[in-house]
Amino acid sequence: QKEVEQDPGPLSVPEGAIVSLNCTYSNSAFQYFMWYRQYSRKGPELLMYTYSSGNKEDGRFTAQVDKSSKYISLFIRDSQPSDSATYLCAMSPNNNDMRFGAGTRLTVKP
Amino acid sequence: NAGVTQTPKFQVLKTGQSMTLQCAQDMNHNSMYWYRQDPGMGLRLIYYSASEGTTDKGEVPNGYNVSRLNKREFSLRLESAAPSQTSVYFCASREDRRLNQPQHFGDGTRLSIL
Repeated sequence: QKEVEQDPGPLSVPEGAIVSLNCTYSNSAFQYFMWYRQYSRKGPELLMYTYSSGNKEDGRFTAQVDKSSKYISLFIRDSQPSDSATYLCAMSPNNNDMRFGAGTRLTVKP
Repeated sequence: NAGVTQTPKFQVLKTGQSMTLQCAQDMNHNSMYWYRQDPGMGLRLIYYSASEGTTDKGEVPNGYNVSRLNKREFSLRLESAAPSQTSVYFCASREDRRLNQPQHFGDGTRLSIL
């Protein structure tokens, strides 16, 4: 069993939709949770960083962590075609070493 | 405004050949990383360098060596390439090892081993 599971998609939504991306994990020691966005043929870029359980909002993006269920989510409101990318979740037990999910490919259609 | 620069962008090798992937950053970052990205596997850490003069193994170090040549440059070497090392390799840097700081990635090196 992988430490981090992420549905690879692909996920296709119309412009303006609310997108929900999710990861589950098995290691209860994970405390630091991140979401990265990766455009085609580019390196990942950090979108959101959260510590422990709870919500964090940044513009159209909201990250949620539920440690009791070992489940994290990223919500994108009012999705735009420019949000089309692969989204990677990542997590760490110690603020140093990361484990990545395989990524979910998202397409937002105009 | 280069950020993290990787060379080459593409490479095809034969099994058993050796190769060095180059990475340089111009942000004066202390920490540098090498990852590989494979379909369905996500990014996996090969080696990292927390600061100039130090290197440590990551999750999948077998078959690779690294050199932190100076603060700017961190190279990854395949001594005897194997088909299992076909992958996209990403170099990244961060000001230090704390995760809440942005990790800047290069655009990757696409390596095929026949």
